Amino acid sequence: EPEVTQTPSHQVTQMGQEVILRCVPISNHLYFYWYRQILGQKVEFLVSFYNNEISEKSEIFDDQFSVERPDGSNFTLKIRSTKLEDSAMYFCASRATGGGGYTFGSGTRLTVV
Amino acid sequence: AQTVTQSQPEMSVQEAETVTLSCTYDTSESDYYLFWYKQPPSRQMILVIRQEAYKQQNATENRFSVNFQKAAKSFSLKISDSQLGDAAMYFCAYRTPGVYGGSQGNLIFGKGTKLSVKP
Repeated sequence: EPEVTQTPSHQVTQMGQEVILRCVPISNHLYFYWYRQILGQKVEFLVSFYNNEISEKSEIFDDQFSVERPDGSNFTLKIRSTKLEDSAMYFCASRATGGGGYTFGSGTRLTVV
Repeated sequence: AQTVTQSQPEMSVQEAETVTLSCTYDTSESDYYLFWYKQPPSRQMILVIRQEAYKQQNATENRFSVNFQKAAKSFSLKISDSQLGDAAMYFCAYRTPGVYGGSQGNLIFGKGTKLSVKP
C-alpha cells in the first residue's frame, strides 16, 4: 500500500537553529499538508499546498515557517529560527482528489533544546 | 468556525466487548466529510473510517462502524469485538471545505479519546 514517508523520524536542534523536515507524499496525490501535535494535545493544521502554492494556512504558520515542493516529489517544511515551543510531532499528509481520506506519514518528532 | 468535540478523554473496554466513542461537531455546511483516526503509541495516524455527509447510510469497516446523525451533528464510532490492538488514541476529524471550496479543505481534529482494552 502506498505510504507517505517522513524523514528524519526524530530531530533534536538548538533553539534559534533552522530545521527542515522532509516528506515524500504518495505519487499521484495532489494535496499536501503539514500538521503538528504538541505532546498530549490535539493535532493542529499548519498549512495546505496545492498546485505548487500554499492554498491555506493557520495562524500557527507564521513567518518562521515555509514550505516547498522543490523537485515534484519532496515536500518540505522549514522552520527558520526554532523556539522551545516548536517542540512537537510534525505530520505530513497527502490526499488525492475528491473525498478520499488523508494519508499521514509516521511523523517527525522535533525536540528544541 | 467549525469545531469538533470529543467529550470522553478516556474510555475502557473489556476484550471482545463493544465500545462507542462519541464525537460532535459544529458546522453550517451541508456537504462535508468526517473521519476517525487511530493513533497508537507509535504516534502514527491511521485512518479508521470516513463518512460523507450526503450519504445517509452509516459507514462500516469490518469491526468499526459509525452512527452518523446529521441533524444532531453527531458522529460516534463503535468498535465491536474489541481487541488488545485497538488500544490507542482515537481522533474524530472534520474536513473543512477550504478557502476555495470543493476539495481544498483541511482537517479539524477533536482532542481525542484514549481507549484502553482490558484482557
